[in-house]
Amino acid sequence: GAVVSQHPSWVICKSGTSVKIECRSLDFQATTMFWYRQFPKQSLMLMATSNEGSKATYEQGVEKDKFLINHASLTLSTLTVTSAHPEDSSFYICSARGSRQGMDQPQHFGDGTRLSIL
Amino acid sequence: QKEVEQNSGPLSVPEGAIASLNCTYSDRVSQSFFWYRQYSGKSPELIMSIYSNGDKEDGRFTAQLNKASQYVSLLIRDSQPSDSATYLCAVSGAGSYQLTFGKGTKLSVIP
Repeated sequence: GAVVSQHPSWVICKSGTSVKIECRSLDFQATTMFWYRQFPKQSLMLMATSNEGSKATYEQGVEKDKFLINHASLTLSTLTVTSAHPEDSSFYICSARGSRQGMDQPQHFGDGTRLSIL
Repeated sequence: QKEVEQNSGPLSVPEGAIASLNCTYSDRVSQSFFWYRQYSGKSPELIMSIYSNGDKEDGRFTAQLNKASQYVSLLIRDSQPSDSATYLCAVSGAGSYQLTFGKGTKLSVIP
């Protein structure tokens, strides 16, 4: 159980392109989804927290107009990197947390999307 | 500023030995603690979760939590080469579902 699917796995595109990444919880309802970015040999950095049906909460230093997050249903959240530039190249990972109450609900991660902007 | 500290390693152990990974956290009111394994180029995979003081065992893995010392550890018994990965300690606080990650400890199990 607790499978999170992330698509696409790899994206290579030209500077200025907008890229959409999908994150789906396949066998559970995810009230909350999280988007992380990881640069080589560094730990995961939380970009934003997304709750179904409401606006995402962005971490300090993350541009909300550049990284658009939509969490329209309990099983799907999307991250759109608008007008991507080479410095946006990174490993983007989503995670989802089940909707049961209580603190004992771990986050389950998607397989990640490796984004390369030329 | 919530902080989670881990020794970056690399930690090298021979096959069959016990690997001991350590983590300390700064937020005294932290409630939930997780260990994730991350292979190179892959996303993190949940290994263990622990919420109360003491030990929790799952197969070859044992998580230990000491809230008074703000310390959590992961023991891997009978280490295998396939255990070679970076192990991330993650902590969440009271009333928050957000995780704060450590930088990870790279484990190498030598055949």
